[in-house]
Amino acid sequence: QSVLTQPPSASGTPGQRVTISCSGSSSNIGSNTVNWYQQLPGTAPKLLIYTNNQRPSGVPDRFSGSRSGTSASLAISGLQSEDEADYYCTAWDDSLNGVLFGGGTKLTVL
Amino acid sequence: QVRLVESGGGLVKPGGSLRLSCAASGFTFSDYFMSWIRQAPGKGLEWVSYISGSANTIYYADSVKGRFTISRDNAKNSLYLQMNSLRAEDTAVYYCVRASGMDAFDIWGQGTMVTVSS
Repeated sequence: QSVLTQPPSASGTPGQRVTISCSGSSSNIGSNTVNWYQQLPGTAPKLLIYTNNQRPSGVPDRFSGSRSGTSASLAISGLQSEDEADYYCTAWDDSLNGVLFGGGTKLTVL
Repeated sequence: QVRLVESGGGLVKPGGSLRLSCAASGFTFSDYFMSWIRQAPGKGLEWVSYISGSANTIYYADSVKGRFTISRDNAKNSLYLQMNSLRAEDTAVYYCVRASGMDAFDIWGQGTMVTVSS
């Protein structure tokens, strides 16, 4: 059972804006930065957002991240069919001395 | 270009051992923290272990502590994971991953499958 809690699924239609939440605690999100990963079917994950809200080179600005208190969220605007994937949040946990992954959210583009 | 290539996966019996390797290229290997991350079939991602560039800082997930050992050879641009006392629940694709900073995993290998079954 993941200590970072994500909704198992999310959906939207093309062009819509969707958000995916990630809830943690004071020992992880509350005191460390959050990263987000996108995993397309059958492929290795890809870094999507780092340090709460930074996009690596090549990631469209349709993807944005935020953190507030012990929660974080990933927003995808202008939803496209190729955004259909699994999305994971991560954060370092000071109590466990390790990296926590959220359980993942499967995004479906209707 | 920047690349990570894992090898060493396969089928092993419960209680057995396996050593995974990861060959890095296209970047200064010793400058980076490296990690192993796994994904059981149809499941989510699980961080396994983490090693600093000089190998003086190492962390393990509780689920593998005492059974798995991470190491690196900077002269060979290689990362390793020695897995002992393997269990069925260790069955997963194991990814070799570069960490930019502490935990921003920016480069991933293609993964190597480990199956623990009798």
